[in-house]
Amino acid sequence: QKEVEQNSGPLSVPEGAIASLNCTYSDRGSQSFFWYRQYSGKSPELIMSIYSNGDKEDGRFTAQLNKASQYVSLLIRDSQPSDSATYLCAVKGDYKLSFGAGTTVTVRA
Amino acid sequence: DTGVSQDPRHKITKRGQNVTFRCDPISEHNRLYWYRQTLGQGPEFLTYFQNEAQLEKSRLLSDRFSAERPKGSFSTLEIQRTEQGDSAMYLCASSRGTGARLEQYFGPGTRLTVT
Repeated sequence: QKEVEQNSGPLSVPEGAIASLNCTYSDRGSQSFFWYRQYSGKSPELIMSIYSNGDKEDGRFTAQLNKASQYVSLLIRDSQPSDSATYLCAVKGDYKLSFGAGTTVTVRA
Repeated sequence: DTGVSQDPRHKITKRGQNVTFRCDPISEHNRLYWYRQTLGQGPEFLTYFQNEAQLEKSRLLSDRFSAERPKGSFSTLEIQRTEQGDSAMYLCASSRGTGARLEQYFGPGTRLTVT
């Protein structure tokens, strides 16, 4: 079993719709969770961090964490073509990040 | 630019040659990480420094790989006797050294192609 698993893509959504990305992790003791956005050929860019159960909103992005279910999600509201990218879920252990393989999102104009 | 920088951005080398990459972290960050990413996968952890001390190395890091951070500032990653399987994006990240919530910020990466 992989440490971090993400829902397989690609995910195609129309402009203005909500994109929903899911992630599960295996280490029940994990405390810090991150979402990175990665454009093709570029490096990962941190867009959200979440540490407590519940929702955290930042602009059009909402991260949700449920530690009991070992589940993290990212919602992108009012999706724009510029949101087309691969989204990586990362879970922090003592120091290193463990990443999922990513979900590629395409926003159709 | 106060972000993480990496040099070179691209490197093409022949199998068997040695290559060295450099990473300059965000200035106030004392933790530095190296990751490797291949196509279609998320980054995989290679090694971690706190100041100049290398505190952890992944089993992915064979004896051909060595990393240093001599003065606790910039870091180098050297690959000796490169193999085609070493072709990947090598990413450097840095974070602050205090607090439990240590967000890691990535540099632009060095894309290595071994021919």
